[in-house]
Amino acid sequence: KNEVEQSPQNLTAQEGEFITINCSYSVGISALHWLQQHPGGGIVSLFMLSSGKKKHGRLIATINIQEKHSSLHITASHPRDSAVYICAAPAEETSGSRLTFGEGTQLTVNP
Amino acid sequence: NAGVTQTPKFRVLKTGQSMTLLCAQDMNHEYMYWYRQDPGMGLRLIHYSVGEGTTAKGEVPDGYNVSRLKKQNFLLGLESAAPSQTSVYFCASSYLGWEVNEQFFGPGTRLTVL
Repeated sequence: KNEVEQSPQNLTAQEGEFITINCSYSVGISALHWLQQHPGGGIVSLFMLSSGKKKHGRLIATINIQEKHSSLHITASHPRDSAVYICAAPAEETSGSRLTFGEGTQLTVNP
Repeated sequence: NAGVTQTPKFRVLKTGQSMTLLCAQDMNHEYMYWYRQDPGMGLRLIHYSVGEGTTAKGEVPDGYNVSRLKKQNFLLGLESAAPSQTSVYFCASSYLGWEVNEQFFGPGTRLTVL
């Protein structure tokens, strides 16, 4: 069973800082997801990636399949980026297995 | 386009009572999921469906039943609620499986069982 670990659990930054959130998993995967959970509770999908890097606005997600590691970066952070960031990877190596979710990283960006 | 909607948003039950949570999506997605989210734990899959008329068990299915009679709706039932089922429940949908498509989440239902 895949173990998904996120670090740090909590992160406080000042507006404008560069943010990095890490996700490690234990078994090989075909795709990994990054999600954002707003303070009000709503969850949105940010990225789905299986190799390399993806960028959307100030958010960048990278993955290293050999290292079993993914990172989510936020450039020029803003208070509106304050949220819980969650990574998710397949529970098992077999195709079609369910996703297993990390516990999330609580990010607070202060003005 | 409403996306994924859930009803109700909040509910308080007494132990032993039953209820049904409704999830609806208007994106013509094949896959639908029910998750629960508890403090200190990641989202956990309760049941899921890969198409109309099909359902399958997830990681934590005990105490729950589901039905997908129409493609756009996925119902989660609690036949005899227990305090351990106090949680926030999220429904999600995707066009195909998670390996090829992102999931779209509903706003959540906060359930308290006394």
